[in-house]
Amino acid sequence: EVQLVESGGGLVQPGGSLRLSCAASGFTFTSYWMHWVRQAPGKGLVWVSRIYGDGRRTAYADSVKGRFTISRDNAKKMLYLEMNSLRAEDTAVYYCARDSDTYGYSVLDYRGQGTLVTVSS
Amino acid sequence: DIQMTQSPSSLSASVGDRVTITCRASQTIRNYLNWYQQKPGKAPNVLIYAATSLQSGVPSRFSGSGSATDFTLTISSLQPQDFATYYCQQSYSLPYTFGQGTKLEIK
Repeated sequence: EVQLVESGGGLVQPGGSLRLSCAASGFTFTSYWMHWVRQAPGKGLVWVSRIYGDGRRTAYADSVKGRFTISRDNAKKMLYLEMNSLRAEDTAVYYCARDSDTYGYSVLDYRGQGTLVTVSS
Repeated sequence: DIQMTQSPSSLSASVGDRVTITCRASQTIRNYLNWYQQKPGKAPNVLIYAATSLQSGVPSRFSGSGSATDFTLTISSLQPQDFATYYCQQSYSLPYTFGQGTKLEIK
């Protein structure tokens, strides 16, 4: 059974840092691109970042570029999101998601339950 | 960035109704369009990928159509468990953008 479990969320002051983790199980982790998607309270879904299976290529939304860093440890089957210079507008539930790359189409077929990040003084 | 616009933003319907949600892209995305369903407090689940393909395990009352810039999600006969928020998402080019969502409520 595919499982993704996020952790690391919490309350942080503006300008602070936080590292989110996502533990993967039930599939061959190295074979899949992985994503982070976020959702501010009462708002819609926003794509944040993507990383290739080998970790060599990454991509970011403009709103987090230069502040957030996605990475992975394939030996530990872990996905990370290092978040620096946090702003109030980064407050959201953060989901990690697996990209099934179905017939060449990017599909977020499994997601974790999410971890809440609150940026506030 | 490609902008995705859904309509309507909210919709009231009854069990058994046929419902259609529309998604428009600001430029062509060919058929790189996914539909997700999200229930309160839960992560979103994929329903349709590549505009028309039903994700494994999703009931056949859900269907998708369209290409280039105009897409639709249709629920042929609403069931009680279908009342949720629906999002389209393009995966044609980075950043992968979502529509603003359509909240489907019980009439």
